[in-house]
Amino acid sequence: EPEVTQTPSHQVTQMGQEVILRCVPISNHLYFYWYRQILGQKVEFLVSFYNNEISEKSEIFDDQFSVERPDGSNFTLKIRSTKLEDSAMYFCAGRESSYNEQFFGPGTRLTVL
Amino acid sequence: GIQVEQSPPDLILQEGANSTLRCNFSDSVNNLQWFHQNPWGQLINLFYIPSGTKQNGRLSATTVATERYSLLYISSSQTTDSGVYFCAVGASGTYKYIFGTGTRLKVLA
Repeated sequence: EPEVTQTPSHQVTQMGQEVILRCVPISNHLYFYWYRQILGQKVEFLVSFYNNEISEKSEIFDDQFSVERPDGSNFTLKIRSTKLEDSAMYFCAGRESSYNEQFFGPGTRLTVL
Repeated sequence: GIQVEQSPPDLILQEGANSTLRCNFSDSVNNLQWFHQNPWGQLINLFYIPSGTKQNGRLSATTVATERYSLLYISSSQTTDSGVYFCAVGASGTYKYIFGTGTRLKVLA
């Protein structure tokens, strides 16, 4: 069964550094998402991406964040200058259409020191 | 925006017991999913259920969209059922999911 993959599984970085989190969605999916979960809290929406552009973003997704689908398979989340409060689990998700289930990747745990 | 509340926040069961988890939402939804977050943090999809009833083994779920709630039933619980259960809803006119605060389940042997 196809699944969403994410790399790396765990990333440790210094405050102020740039990080890129990578996701490979399921091949026939058209809608893509990034969510994050701070330890012990609920999962929060960051951004949705459809037809090569952002379709919706949350207040968390400020100018420090960007997303890209550079080659038709990878879907990336970049944080330009990480802050301590960016430490969280980041999940990538995708779906075929806007009215069926979202499939989540296993997550990347980001630790900012 | 839409509010999603889950109850109870915490639940401790003896192995073999049954339980019902509830998800209330404040507005009409087009999408609803239940997830189990395992100890490694992975979100395991349990049900996609914007309306109606579904069953998968010991688990079943019912969503009554007109009354704005969904229920997840766990029967004959096992220690491997431990973890956090989240419902996530997609409100009309939006593609994103809003997650509830979760129910933390612990099943004792």
